[in-house]
Amino acid sequence: AQSVAQPEDQVNVAEGNPLTVKCTYSVSGNPYLFWYVQYPNRGLQFLLKYITGDNLVKGSYGFEAEFNKSQTSFHLKKPSALVSDSALYFCAVRDGAGTYKYIFGTGTRLKVLA
Amino acid sequence: DTAVSQTPKYLVTQMGNDKSIKCEQNLGHDTMYWYKQDSKKFLKIMFSYNNKELIINETVPNRFSPKSPDKAHLNLHINSLELGDSAVYFCASSSSLGELFFGEGSRLTVL
Repeated sequence: AQSVAQPEDQVNVAEGNPLTVKCTYSVSGNPYLFWYVQYPNRGLQFLLKYITGDNLVKGSYGFEAEFNKSQTSFHLKKPSALVSDSALYFCAVRDGAGTYKYIFGTGTRLKVLA
Repeated sequence: DTAVSQTPKYLVTQMGNDKSIKCEQNLGHDTMYWYKQDSKKFLKIMFSYNNKELIINETVPNRFSPKSPDKAHLNLHINSLELGDSAVYFCASSSSLGELFFGEGSRLTVL
């Protein structure tokens, strides 16, 4: 069965500092991995995905993520955090073996302090 | 043009009533979904349709009934509403290999 873990409920970082939001996954086949951001009272917005290819994936708003197969991780990173990055971040996984089921982590609230 | 649109955005209703939420996507995707987000912000998949065929049906009470009249529309009907049904319901769509596109959500409050 597929699963996703986001071990941190909240991450606090000072503006201008690098940020990391952690995600680990479990799937039986090749993973399709995604990051989404949710602002208050809004739907989820897609940030980036890993399907195949280069392990470092670049996405929207300066975010990137690194796929690590041996550690089954897909951590979200940004070199320099902005106050406007404060939001709820979700990691999601889909089993590339043909299912259409996207499973989401429990979310990590990112707070960027001015 | 909004890619995935849901209506209504807010529903407030009494226990025992029936309500529907409509969803439409103009992205040409074959697959559509309903997700439920609870008060702790956990997202749980409920249903998925691919080309009008039900392909995912999670352990959801049978008071919830999805309907897909065509591949651009997926509606959710809920009978005999209960307090625990209060949540935000998100519609989403995807292509076969791609990411999900979400609607803005429909916040259901059952009193």
